[in-house]
Amino acid sequence: GNSVTQMEGPVTLSEEAFLTINCTYTATGYPSLFWYVQYPGEGLQLLLKATKADDKGSNKGFEATYRKETTSFHLEKGSVQVSDSAVYFCALSDSNTGNQFYFGTGTSLTVIP
Amino acid sequence: GAGVSQSPRYKVAKRGQDVALRCDPISGHVSLFWYQQALGQGPEFLTYFQNEAQLDKSGLPSDRFFAERPEGSVSTLKIQRTQQEDSAVYLCASSWGEVRVYGYTFGSGTRLTVV
Repeated sequence: GNSVTQMEGPVTLSEEAFLTINCTYTATGYPSLFWYVQYPGEGLQLLLKATKADDKGSNKGFEATYRKETTSFHLEKGSVQVSDSAVYFCALSDSNTGNQFYFGTGTSLTVIP
Repeated sequence: GAGVSQSPRYKVAKRGQDVALRCDPISGHVSLFWYQQALGQGPEFLTYFQNEAQLDKSGLPSDRFFAERPEGSVSTLKIQRTQQEDSAVYLCASSWGEVRVYGYTFGSGTRLTVV
């Protein structure tokens, strides 16, 4: 079946530190991969996406590369800011299962000044 | 509208009570989705509409859950005889195109607490 596994949180970093949040997946077809971010009190917002192997999604300084050989889509940012504090969700949409998304459990990030 | 609007933002229901949660998608978005997010978990799929047609309801946890979108715009998720395990945030999302390419736009959710 389809599933997404994210690294356990919470993650606490100092401002300007390097961020990596690991995400691995299993899929029965050809998935598209997404990172969503949820700021406190708000809904999930699409952060970035990649629709095929070796694609790199990027937005707001965040990047993730679709690695089919390792079934991974790790989220990275070179220098985090306090405003990046949020919960990050990795998700996939599989060609075999239509419009349903499968989400990881989320990773909470807190950035301290 | 500018975004996906959900109401109410918070709902407290006594066990056994019926509730109705409303979603107003972005104008022109053909596809509409409902997800359930338990505390500390990722969202889990409930059901999917394309216009007024409910094309997938495989995620609805029991026959107490019912969703409709009669005119292809606003949708209502109804939960009958609520139980404590129904306590969660209910998220609505909409999309104008192929979701594997464009993703969803989510609303802020309705937090349901069953007491």
